[in-house]
Amino acid sequence: GDSVTQMEGPVTLSEEAFLTINCTYTATGYPSLFWYVQYPGEGLQLLLKATKADDKGSNKGFEATYRKETTSFHLEKGSVQVSDSAVYFCALSNFNKFYFGSGTKLNVKP
Amino acid sequence: DAEITQSPRHKITETGRQVTLACHQTWNHNNMFWYRQDLGHGLRLIHYSYGVHDTNKGEVSDGYSVSRSNTEDLPLTLESAASSQTSVYFCASSEGLADFKETQYFGPGTRLLVL
Repeated sequence: GDSVTQMEGPVTLSEEAFLTINCTYTATGYPSLFWYVQYPGEGLQLLLKATKADDKGSNKGFEATYRKETTSFHLEKGSVQVSDSAVYFCALSNFNKFYFGSGTKLNVKP
Repeated sequence: DAEITQSPRHKITETGRQVTLACHQTWNHNNMFWYRQDLGHGLRLIHYSYGVHDTNKGEVSDGYSVSRSNTEDLPLTLESAASSQTSVYFCASSEGLADFKETQYFGPGTRLLVL
């Protein structure tokens, strides 16, 4: 069946460091891919998405490229801020079903 | 603005009591979902609905039920609350697109404590 695997956390970085959170997926057909962010005490918010191969989703300085050849959708940001501290979830949507990764907690230190 | 709301935001109940968590969306989305979030388990799907009068079991449906009498609401009922159901519950909705390329939108969550 379809599934999403993302790197375990927590990931701890200093402010202005480069961020990569790895995400790989298994799916039939051509799913849509997403990154959601969850700040403490809040629900999940859509961060970015890509609906077809080679699409790049971007928002708030975060980027992820849909790589069908490597079945990956890694999240990157060039310079993280303390306010980026949150839990990040990779997800895929396929045939009206959603599959989430287990989440990666990011801690950014000043 | 369209939104998805959950109530109550916090609930304390006792073992054996029936509890209902409300979810209301104003996007007119066809699809609605209930998840629970626990440390070490990420998000787990409890029940989902693809339209009025449609309900389906997710991976952790035991002890929970839902009903969909209109487009806007999908209440989640814990028939007889157990301590194992202490969790944070999230409702979500999606449009129900014919191409199945969905985006889910989440409510703020309900934190439930069963004593």
